[in-house]
Amino acid sequence: EPEVTQTPSHQVTQMGQEVILRCVPISNHLYFYWYRQILGQKVEFLVSFYNNEISEKSEIFDDQFSVERPDGSNFTLKIRSTKLEDSAMYFCASSQQGVTNNSPLHFGNGTRLTVT
Amino acid sequence: AQKVTQAQTEISVVEKEDVTLDCVYETRDTTYYLFWYKQPPSGELVFLIRRNSFDEQNEISGRYSWNFQKSTSSFNFTITASQVVDSAVYFCALSERGDTDKLIFGTGTRLQVFP
Repeated sequence: EPEVTQTPSHQVTQMGQEVILRCVPISNHLYFYWYRQILGQKVEFLVSFYNNEISEKSEIFDDQFSVERPDGSNFTLKIRSTKLEDSAMYFCASSQQGVTNNSPLHFGNGTRLTVT
Repeated sequence: AQKVTQAQTEISVVEKEDVTLDCVYETRDTTYYLFWYKQPPSGELVFLIRRNSFDEQNEISGRYSWNFQKSTSSFNFTITASQVVDSAVYFCALSERGDTDKLIFGTGTRLQVFP
């Protein structure tokens, strides 16, 4: 069964550094998402992306965050200047036609980001 | 506003016991979707079920069953004859039809099944 792939599985970075988290969504999916989960807490929506633009973003997704689909297969989340509180598990997800069209949401295995 | 409440933060049972995880949701939409995900200790999110608001039929999948009741805005999850491998955090989530395409997750219930 096709799956969403995220790399790396664990990334350690120093405060203030830029970090890029990478995701390869399922190939025929059109809707892409990033969620994050601070250790021991609930999963929180960050951003959704469709047709090469952001369709929705949460309050968490401030100017330090950006997303890109650079080459038609990868979907990346960039944090420009990481803070300690950015330490979390970041989940990429994709959907063929969007959750509101009753299309399942498939999550990757996550990237654990540790900011020191 | 949409909200998902999982009042049980942690449940401990002994193997072979049945256990029910509660989920209560709030939404103003008449069309919405409810989900359950399992997060084992390895950290990934494993999809268990999706149910739309028009389908109130209960569902059974092996040892898992789900009870959707719109009258009480609940979507409870029961594991029958629990096993150690069921130990995980279970999240209930809600998505409304409309302008938003995001899932709102509950805070999760940690289930520990002891041998």
